[in-house]
Amino acid sequence: SQQGEEDPQALSIQEGENATMNCSYKTSINNLQWYRQNSGRGLVHLILIRSNEREKHSGRLRVTLDTSKKSSSLLITASRAADTASYFCATPNSGNTPLVFGKGTRLSVIA
Amino acid sequence: NAGVMQNPRHLVRRRGQEARLRCSPMKGHSHVYWYRQLPEEGLKFMVYLQKENIIDESGMPKERFSAEFPKEGPSILRIQQVVRGDSAAYFCASSGGLPADTQYFGPGTRLTVL
Repeated sequence: SQQGEEDPQALSIQEGENATMNCSYKTSINNLQWYRQNSGRGLVHLILIRSNEREKHSGRLRVTLDTSKKSSSLLITASRAADTASYFCATPNSGNTPLVFGKGTRLSVIA
Repeated sequence: NAGVMQNPRHLVRRRGQEARLRCSPMKGHSHVYWYRQLPEEGLKFMVYLQKENIIDESGMPKERFSAEFPKEGPSILRIQQVVRGDSAAYFCASSGGLPADTQYFGPGTRLTVL
């Protein structure tokens, strides 16, 4: 069964605006990861947040993790047209098993 | 440090033929993962290998699909007697440690079955 589910499925914003994407998961985890995929390309790792962390930053990215709600959010600030891509959250299905990916959020940033 | 390499990038096969997809992991990585992605979908885990061993193949169809990661050379995902439903993008990823750690992805092989 799907471990991570992203919300919304698609998001369209103007350049300069912030974009927020959410991810919910089912079982307990030891980490949660966010990846980006540009059209026709492989996935690129963005950020990993461990279960004992609540917030993590990397450049214009901010990730939060709420283990009590089994949810995470990815915030991209001051978005650019180059941020247009699909964004996936991924978690181990249980323990230390390989990652399970959600269906992703398709972000379009309009210049 | 070269990233994960996959070849071919595009592969066209007729129904009934065999498809061989290759993946060279990032230097120093001994864990390889194969995923399949259908259009507008997320990635579906297929198989996890370490050198010469299949660790988890729970996502791989029991028939026609096989994977290997020999002591020398790339990992290979083999699909025998391909059908139209096998058309998809196949991605390989590698990691240096545990499977729950960060994975580094290749550019993918797009398989089209005519």
